[in-house]
Amino acid sequence: NAGVTQTPKFQVLKTGQSMTLQCAQDMNHEYMSWYRQDPGMGLRLIHYSVGAGITDQGEVPNGYNVSRSTTEDFPLRLLSAAPSQTSVYFCASSSTATGEDTQYFGPGTRLTVL
Amino acid sequence: QQQVKQSPQSLIVQKGGIPIINCAYENTAFDYFPWYQQFPGKGPALLIAIRPDVSEKKEGRFTISFNKSAKQFSLHIMDSQPGDSATYFCAARPPGAGSYQLTFGKGTKLSVIP
Repeated sequence: NAGVTQTPKFQVLKTGQSMTLQCAQDMNHEYMSWYRQDPGMGLRLIHYSVGAGITDQGEVPNGYNVSRSTTEDFPLRLLSAAPSQTSVYFCASSSTATGEDTQYFGPGTRLTVL
Repeated sequence: QQQVKQSPQSLIVQKGGIPIINCAYENTAFDYFPWYQQFPGKGPALLIAIRPDVSEKKEGRFTISFNKSAKQFSLHIMDSQPGDSATYFCAARPPGAGSYQLTFGKGTKLSVIP
C-alpha cells in the first residue's frame, strides 16, 4: 500500500491564481481530511469528508473548496490564492472499520503564495 | 478558543534525559487523547494514545500520564535519543466523533542533543 499520497510536494503561486492540491489513499478509508500547518499554530482542520459525496467544513474553511467523488480521492481547491494561504497542507485518512482510531497523514504540500 | 493547550513550545534535552510535554484540555467530554510525532519534511504519525479510563499507558520508551480531575495529560520519553528529535502534537477528540475531528495542540519541538 502507498498509504496517503499528495501532489505536488512544492508549489509557488501568484496572488489570485487558482490550483488544486491532490490527495489519494489506497486503504479504502471512509474518512478524509485536509489540514494546514503554520508555525506556532499546530494543525488546523480545513475540510473533511465522511464518505464519497459527503463533505463538511472544519475550523478554517474560507478560501478553500473540496469535493469527494470517489473513496480514494479528496482534492483541495484554492479558487483565488492569497498570501495568507501560504502554508504546509496535509491530507489525512482514517477508518473505524478495523477498530483502529488512527489518522494516516500524507507527506504534505508546501505552498507559497506571492 | 483553543481547546487543547500544549507546552512548552520547544524543548532541548541531552541524550538519556526525560523530556516531558504537557497538554491541558477544556472540554470534559473529550474521550480520546492521542500524541502524534512529526519529523521534518514528513507528515505526523500516531505515536501513542490513551482513553480517560486509565491513568497511564506505556509503549516502549513513551509514556502518557493522564489526570482526569486536572484535565491534563503529558508525554514522557524515557532515555531520550537524538532520533527522537521531532515535533510532538497532543490532540483530543469528542465522544462519538471520528479521528478526523481531532483538536490538536500547537506542537512542541523537541531537540535531543548527543
